[in-house]
Amino acid sequence: DTAVSQTPKYLVTQMGNDKSIKCEQNLGHDTMYWYKQDSKKFLKIMFSYNNKELIINETVPNRFSPKSPDKAHLNLHINSLELGDSAVYFCASSQKAEAFFGQGTRLTVV
Amino acid sequence: KQEVTQIPAALSVPEGENLVLNCSFTDSAIYNLQWFRQDPGKGLTSLLLIQSSQREQTSGRLNASLDKSSGRSTLYIAASQPGDSATYLCAANRDDKIIFGKGTRLHILP
Repeated sequence: DTAVSQTPKYLVTQMGNDKSIKCEQNLGHDTMYWYKQDSKKFLKIMFSYNNKELIINETVPNRFSPKSPDKAHLNLHINSLELGDSAVYFCASSQKAEAFFGQGTRLTVV
Repeated sequence: KQEVTQIPAALSVPEGENLVLNCSFTDSAIYNLQWFRQDPGKGLTSLLLIQSSQREQTSGRLNASLDKSSGRSTLYIAASQPGDSATYLCAANRDDKIIFGKGTRLHILP
């Protein structure tokens, strides 16, 4: 069983579109995160949620809106996509211990 | 604000050599420090997790140490193999935030 799963794995879309990436964890963790890995491969935190509540928002444009319908899910919705949003987005979960990451979603905006 | 630095940024060594990757962090109030491996175009694979109360962890040819007081961790790889070639990332976990270094790109020469 995959601990943290993201869908889709690849996403190609045009500028201006709205898209969502889904994330689910089956570990029972309270904390979930979204990270962006840019072309230079640096992993930067975007959001963290604890038990469905937003804890951290790292100055991400408000075109990005995370939604946590329950503790096991943290979805990322992106409005009005821009070329600079092209990156790999990783979801993760942890609970004061080992962090587990999804396999990533490669978003390409054309 | 937590900052994580990894040195060197890139490293090439002949097969069979032992090597050390360095990681430093500015805020010692961490729950744990985790080392990951990332292969090109792939997700993150957790290698070792060191809790804040621990000094080191070992898994096979890998040994990671943690000195919270000085804000340093090292990843020691013994008897390196070409299959060890990857980017190695360290991450300081404070639960609400996991902060990554920029990684060390390791290339093992056959």
